[in-house]
Amino acid sequence: GDSVTQMEGPVTLSEEAFLTINCTYTATGYPSLFWYVQYPGEGLQLLLKATKADDKGSNKGFEATYRKETTSFHLEKGSVQVSDSAVYFCALSVPAGGTSYGKLTFGQGTILTVHP
Amino acid sequence: DAGVIQSPRHEVTEMGQEVTLRCKPISGHDYLFWYRQTMMRGLELLIYFNNNVPIDDSGMPEDRFSAKMPNASFSTLKIQPSEPRDSAVYFCASSPRGNTEAFFGQGTRLTVV
Repeated sequence: GDSVTQMEGPVTLSEEAFLTINCTYTATGYPSLFWYVQYPGEGLQLLLKATKADDKGSNKGFEATYRKETTSFHLEKGSVQVSDSAVYFCALSVPAGGTSYGKLTFGQGTILTVHP
Repeated sequence: DAGVIQSPRHEVTEMGQEVTLRCKPISGHDYLFWYRQTMMRGLELLIYFNNNVPIDDSGMPEDRFSAKMPNASFSTLKIQPSEPRDSAVYFCASSPRGNTEAFFGQGTRLTVV
């Protein structure tokens, strides 16, 4: 079956530090890959996505590149802010036919805390 | 747009009671998903609907769980009878057809005591 593995957390950084959260996946088909973010007390929001190999998704200074050869989709940000403190989820979707990208398989989530 | 709306936000109930969680998807979205989030198992898909029809309920943990979508603007997830191990955050999400994202509600935090 499909699965997503994220690096163990939590991650604690100082403001302006470089962030990397590793994500690898296994999938039976050709997946699309996503990073979702969950702020305290809120639902999940899509942060970025990539739908084919070598695509780079980017948003709010975050980016991730779809690497088919290493089955990875690592999240990076060059300079984190306190407001980036949240839980980050890597996810995949293998849509078939008319299926939307809402049928997601999630990683376990990584808690990020950024200190001033 | 108001986004996906879930109610209640918090629910505390006693073991054995019936619990009903509600979801209003974004207008015009063809797909609706119910997810459960726990510390032990993370985020799991329970069931999803396409045009109000249940397509895949393989994630529903037991017969105590049931979900309905009587129309395009409303869905329920019912647990009867509830058990302490059902305590979790339940998310509803919706998406339109095609290459796009899923939009999540704020979730219902269920505590069964």
